[in-house]
Amino acid sequence: DAGVIQSPRHEVTEMGQEVTLRCKPISGHNSLFWYRQTMMRGLELLIYFNNNVPIDDSGMPEDRFSAKMPNASFSTLKIQPSEPRDSAVYFCASSPGVSFADTQYFGPGTRLTVL
Amino acid sequence: SQQGEEDPQALSIQEGENATMNCSYKTSINNLQWYRQNSGRGLVHLILIRSNEREKHSGRLRVTLDTSKKSSSLLITASRAADTASYFCGPMDSSYKLIFGSGTRLLVRP
Repeated sequence: DAGVIQSPRHEVTEMGQEVTLRCKPISGHNSLFWYRQTMMRGLELLIYFNNNVPIDDSGMPEDRFSAKMPNASFSTLKIQPSEPRDSAVYFCASSPGVSFADTQYFGPGTRLTVL
Repeated sequence: SQQGEEDPQALSIQEGENATMNCSYKTSINNLQWYRQNSGRGLVHLILIRSNEREKHSGRLRVTLDTSKKSSSLLITASRAADTASYFCGPMDSSYKLIFGSGTRLLVRP
């Protein structure tokens, strides 16, 4: 399996622009997670889906952030409008299902820079 | 707020020495997972210990869990330069979320 695939790997944009990050989970995995990592705040869980349904979005920082999972093989995280403080590395992870014993498999991340 | 908090924040040791990292958490958990992150990469799962387990081994890794103290430790024995990375603990609560701490940055000097 190719693992979790994220695109783009790097994104540089200007403040106010819309940014869309993409994730393809491992085939057959039922849960998908979006994380944000910064030096100041560490690794934060933003939202997670189970069977394409958002289960917990309490980590989404504000209304400028939205996430969708239209099918089992694709998810997007959108920031509109983007701000410099959104600069971070965004990780997507997937796991086989909703089980307390599930391991999460992380993608390589998207490094976002908002100027 | 973060559930898992690693200590120390940074650790520098000589190759061949053992490295010990600690994790504290705040609420009840189903399990606790340790992950490694190499610079510029995603996290890689290392080991999972269930709430009813006290110790677990995987190769050169040894994890302990003390639920009464809400703490865990990760021991890497006979460290190698390739072990240089950041290590995160992820306590998993009943909502199946992993809430990571800030990590321990381990440097193994050749």
